[in-house]
Amino acid sequence: AQSVTQLDSQVPVFEEAPVELRCNYSSSVSVYLFWYVQYPNQGLQLLLKYLSGSTLVESINGFEAEFNKSQTSFHLRKPSVHISDTAEYFCAVSYIGGGSEKLVFGKGTKLTVNP
Amino acid sequence: DADVTQTPRNRITKTGKRIMLECSQTKGHDRMYWYRQDPGLGLRLIYYSFDVKDINKGEISDGYSVSRQAQAKFSLSLESAIPNQTALYFCATGGVVNTGELFFGEGSRLTVL
Repeated sequence: AQSVTQLDSQVPVFEEAPVELRCNYSSSVSVYLFWYVQYPNQGLQLLLKYLSGSTLVESINGFEAEFNKSQTSFHLRKPSVHISDTAEYFCAVSYIGGGSEKLVFGKGTKLTVNP
Repeated sequence: DADVTQTPRNRITKTGKRIMLECSQTKGHDRMYWYRQDPGLGLRLIYYSFDVKDINKGEISDGYSVSRQAQAKFSLSLESAIPNQTALYFCATGGVVNTGELFFGEGSRLTVL
């Protein structure tokens, strides 16, 4: 079965510290990869995505994620976090060819940035 | 105005009542989805639709039904609500290019007493 694993349910960090949110997926086929962010009391917003090309993708607010096909991972990183990055982050995978219309989500990682 | 609008945003109801959550979109997308979010469980797909005549079950469709009234409207019904259907429900639409990228509404919080 297709699955997405986010290894950490909660990640507390201090402001200006680096952070990595881990995501692994099961797959024997090609995939599209996404990170979504959910700020408190809001819906999900797309943070960044990998469709093809460069395996390193970036968001406008300083996050980046790297597609690693051999390790079936798509970890999210930021070198220096802000209080405003406090949110829940969801990794999601779309399997290409037969099912690409559906996203499979991980269970989420709550990032808390403390002053 | 939001591209994907859900109503109601909050609803409290009692066990056994019929509930309808509505979703409308102005993005012109054909694909629409209903997800359920529970703490620690992420998002789980309830139903999805690729056009007005196409309805598909997701991983947790039992106890739910849907109606695609028009390209822009996709409603979710709980025929007889039960407490374990208490959750945050999200409607989403799929972009023109079929990559799986979704655009979400703000969510409908349902509490079943």
